[in-house]
Amino acid sequence: DAGVIQSPRHEVTEMGQEVTLRCKPISGHNSLFWYRQTMMRGLELLIYFNNNVPIDDSGMPEDRFSAKMPNASFSTLKIQPSEPRDSAVYFCASRPGQQNIQYFGAGTRLSVL
Amino acid sequence: GENVEQHPSTLSVQEGDSAVIKCTYSDSASNYFPWYKQELGKGPQLIIDIRSNVGEKKDQRIAVTLNKTAKHFSLHITETQPEDSAVYFCAASIGRDDKIIFGKGTRLHILP
Repeated sequence: DAGVIQSPRHEVTEMGQEVTLRCKPISGHNSLFWYRQTMMRGLELLIYFNNNVPIDDSGMPEDRFSAKMPNASFSTLKIQPSEPRDSAVYFCASRPGQQNIQYFGAGTRLSVL
Repeated sequence: GENVEQHPSTLSVQEGDSAVIKCTYSDSASNYFPWYKQELGKGPQLIIDIRSNVGEKKDQRIAVTLNKTAKHFSLHITETQPEDSAVYFCAASIGRDDKIIFGKGTRLHILP
């Protein structure tokens, strides 16, 4: 299995632009998580889905952030409009239904200038 | 709210010596405690985990101990090797195991 696949690996954009991050979970996994990693705040859970349904979005920082999971094999995290303080590494992770283990993708490094 | 504290933030040990990283958690309902290793440019990877019905678990050179009364758990790495250099994160489950929250991480340096 290729593992969790995230794209792009790096994204550089200007303040005010829309940014879309993509994630393909491991086939057969039914939970998907979006995290943000910064030096100051560490790994923060933004939102997670079970069976494509958003369960907890309490970690989403503002209305500028939104996430969707239209099917079991694809999820997006969108930031509109982006701001410099959104610069971070964003990770997607997936988990099989009967286990606790989360499998992380390689992340997307976002820089907002 | 729920919290996981991790210490130290940085740790340097001589190759071959042991390394210990400690964490505390606040949610008494937590029952799952994973440890992740993150290498440069990669996502975190699970290295070992423990459930609350077990006090200790070992896998080759790594071991984890759990003290539920004190809400402490620790990672022990013996006979450290250069490839052990990485950032290590502890985590604890909250709610009904659907979520885990992470400590801030420990950057481990193995000195030659």
